[in-house]
Amino acid sequence: ILNVEQSPQSLHVQEGDSTNFTCSFPSSNFYALHWYRWETAKSPEALFVMTLNGDEKKKGRISATLNTKEGYSYLYIKGSQPEDSATYLCAFRDPNAGKSTFGDGTTLTVKP
Amino acid sequence: DTAVSQTPKYLVTQMGNDKSIKCEQNLGHDTMYWYKQDSKKFLKIMFSYNNKELIINETVPNRFSPKSPDKAHLNLHINSLELGDSAVYFCASRDRAKETQYFGPGTRLLVL
Repeated sequence: ILNVEQSPQSLHVQEGDSTNFTCSFPSSNFYALHWYRWETAKSPEALFVMTLNGDEKKKGRISATLNTKEGYSYLYIKGSQPEDSATYLCAFRDPNAGKSTFGDGTTLTVKP
Repeated sequence: DTAVSQTPKYLVTQMGNDKSIKCEQNLGHDTMYWYKQDSKKFLKIMFSYNNKELIINETVPNRFSPKSPDKAHLNLHINSLELGDSAVYFCASRDRAKETQYFGPGTRLLVL
């Protein structure tokens, strides 16, 4: 059973704060790691696909880094806004199993 | 145009009934999935189909039977519904080139 763990489970910040959270995954046989953004009452939407050790991806105020050797990825949000409130999921792609294993998510609440 | 669509969006039914949820994707993807958002709001994979063939069955009760009439459709039939089947069910399809999954809007099932 693959362990994909995210921390913290939930996070409350004030508007304007910068924040980050972690996804841990198996460091052996790495293929790809995904980050998804999941707003309440909606469906998950892809943010980033990360495949190479040292990858850094950015979309607006959100960025992510990847360390495949130690098995972790960080997601950063700079200057959080209330519309950033969502659950952020990471998913570890295991091509041998033909599936992605999702973490349980970090739920971010940004207070105005 | 909706990329991944599910019907119905809401389903309220009595225990013991049989019901189906339909999923269609117009993205030309070969691989489709069913996920269940459990009571803790975590996303768990149920089934995966590739080109109409079942490739993943994640220890789901055999009351759940997926059917893929063609690679654009993956339907989920549930027999003898139980209270514990109440959940949100998400369909997704995967873009192999982008290594990204695209999720449907979810079907909110409530078993009374």
